[in-house]
Amino acid sequence: DSGVTQTPKHLITATGQRVTLRCSPRSGDLSVYWYQQSLDQGLQFLIQYYNGEERAKGNILERFSAQQFPDLHSELNLSSLELGDSALYFCASSVGGAVNTEAFFGQGTRLTVV
Amino acid sequence: AQSVTQLDSQVPVFEEAPVELRCNYSSSVSVYLFWYVQYPNQGLQLLLKYLSGSTLVKGINGFEAEFNKSQTSFHLRKPSVHISDTAEYFCAVSENAGNMLTFGGGTRLMVKP
Repeated sequence: DSGVTQTPKHLITATGQRVTLRCSPRSGDLSVYWYQQSLDQGLQFLIQYYNGEERAKGNILERFSAQQFPDLHSELNLSSLELGDSALYFCASSVGGAVNTEAFFGQGTRLTVV
Repeated sequence: AQSVTQLDSQVPVFEEAPVELRCNYSSSVSVYLFWYVQYPNQGLQLLLKYLSGSTLVKGINGFEAEFNKSQTSFHLRKPSVHISDTAEYFCAVSENAGNMLTFGGGTRLMVKP
């Protein structure tokens, strides 16, 4: 158990809908990262927050947004969902905000868009 | 822009045999390099990382990797694999100590009895 909690574990929704994925980082970790893992795109970095502020941005679509709350949990919002958004979404957390500090991954939320 | 190529999508190997998982990266600046392992239905776990210093890096579970700057490679090795090493292995790179990790496509290691 990495200490990173992601909910829900599975999510099935229809095209055009909006969903929210939640991540609770390890106790004491200030940084949260979001990744998307799909069969065609592989594992892609989406976005990072550090202590409530956006720190780095990757290949995140405009239909997607994220935020980190004062209690350090994070949410990834996916809207106007398309079939191609079906993927495993991982959250990771680390103590520091730099990539050289080890990130611990949650077990992921599997999103299926039908 | 950085990119990572894992040359083998699958590597079958017998138990107790040595294994090497290959990783090449493309970058014109200084890099940090990482190997992660993903067991079935689990998140990723850090195996080892190269930030600076010695080019031979030792990680968990008996794995090691060698950074070769001239060949832009960071191959992962283990002298004797176990059934429990069956998993997907990902190589990743970060440029200039940036916070974005770019991952390779993964290599599925299948250890057979």
